[in-house]
Amino acid sequence: DIVMTQSPLSLPVTPGEPASISCRSSESLLNSNGDSYLDWYLHKPGQSPQLLIYLGSHRASGVPDRFSGSGSGTDFTLKISRVEAEDVGVYYCLQVLQTPFTFGPGTKVDIK
Amino acid sequence: QITLRESGPTLVKPTQTLTLTCTFSGFSLSTSGVAVGWIRQPPGKALEWLALIYWNDDKRYSPSLKGRLTITEDTSKDQVVLTVTNVDPVDTGTYYCAHMDSRVNTGYFDYWGQGTLVTVSS
Repeated sequence: DIVMTQSPLSLPVTPGEPASISCRSSESLLNSNGDSYLDWYLHKPGQSPQLLIYLGSHRASGVPDRFSGSGSGTDFTLKISRVEAEDVGVYYCLQVLQTPFTFGPGTKVDIK
Repeated sequence: QITLRESGPTLVKPTQTLTLTCTFSGFSLSTSGVAVGWIRQPPGKALEWLALIYWNDDKRYSPSLKGRLTITEDTSKDQVVLTVTNVDPVDTGTYYCAHMDSRVNTGYFDYWGQGTLVTVSS
């Protein structure tokens, strides 16, 4: 199985400031066409998880442009350019290159 | 508009079989590239992928549950059913079903149900 790790696991943030989360996979998530099969999800308290980023860097429909994803192969980053109060929750990376799909442990983002 | 809704028992006794139903609308599981998956979250823990059924009836399972999972589709009812046999208190958690876009060169869960909380206890 592909093992996913994230850092940090806890991230206190200040509204208006940038934030960054790292995700690493134990194997390359690149497929033959050069895309990395890595998604980012946000799980807000009391809600269902929501898709933010797919294929490493593609923003999902309706996701604010302050969210961006980057990386390739085994190292990925989710960045929030200016954190807003509504961005609190747990952020997960998920590899969908092969089953079993595997989530990272999650990064809890809250307001300082 | 795509929607999914999970249903099933809220309380199950250890060793029993848990049956969860995902009723969906706004898409067909017969459409190429479509899949429906199950993901769970034990209290205070991370999300865990459990199973997936593709439009072509290909089925995939998490090996960590050691053969206790079965995913099936009822096309006449637009439902996907997940059964978990021989449940244990560690199976307690919120179970989500989700629509997956698994067309060639992509893969993501873009629509999720609201989740259903299952407690395993005697």
